[in-house]
Amino acid sequence: NAGVMQNPRHLVRRRGQEARLRCSPVKGHSHVYWYRQLPEEGLKFMVYLQKENIIDESGMPKERFSAEFPKEGPSILRIQQVVRGDSAAYFCASSLFEHQNTEAFFGQGTRLTVV
Amino acid sequence: SQQGEEDPQALSIQEGENATMNCSYKTSINNLQWYRQNSGRGLVHLILIRSNEREKHSGRLRVTLDTSKKSSSLLITASRAADTASYFCVTGSNSGYALNFGKGTSLLVTP
Repeated sequence: NAGVMQNPRHLVRRRGQEARLRCSPVKGHSHVYWYRQLPEEGLKFMVYLQKENIIDESGMPKERFSAEFPKEGPSILRIQQVVRGDSAAYFCASSLFEHQNTEAFFGQGTRLTVV
Repeated sequence: SQQGEEDPQALSIQEGENATMNCSYKTSINNLQWYRQNSGRGLVHLILIRSNEREKHSGRLRVTLDTSKKSSSLLITASRAADTASYFCVTGSNSGYALNFGKGTSLLVTP
């Protein structure tokens, strides 16, 4: 039973390029979340999706960032025109029910470096 | 902010000793969770305690919750080197679906 799979594990982008981060949730989980972590910090919530729907994107920057969780395939976090400040670890999590009330399973993260 | 704050920021103990980490939060909660993160990798859920519970055990872990003081503690008994990690106290947002993470307690267990 595979856990949450994220790829790539490491991603290097030049300023102005696009970054695409992928997340395959635990099989059977329909709740997916994206979090961002800066060094020596806790995780910061970005977005919560269920299949084909964005439920809560209150933590997502209004520009350049978008997320989707299509009916088929992984969830994608897309960052357009990356800047140095986007460098961080991005974690995806999934849960069977909404994760404030149950265990969430986290992936190993994608470490984005913008040069 | 609903964000929990862990104390101490860093803790260093020897194998076999007990480790206690504390957490304080600001507003009312339905439940509180503890997660562990090894060296910047993915997080692992440890335990969830509901607001009507005062204490919960899971293996070598013991969590307490005092809603009147808005505080929780995590006790790891008979620690092992493999317990070396960062530990986060996590609460839910009152508005929206976010989990709110503090900066964590960095635990180092030396052989």
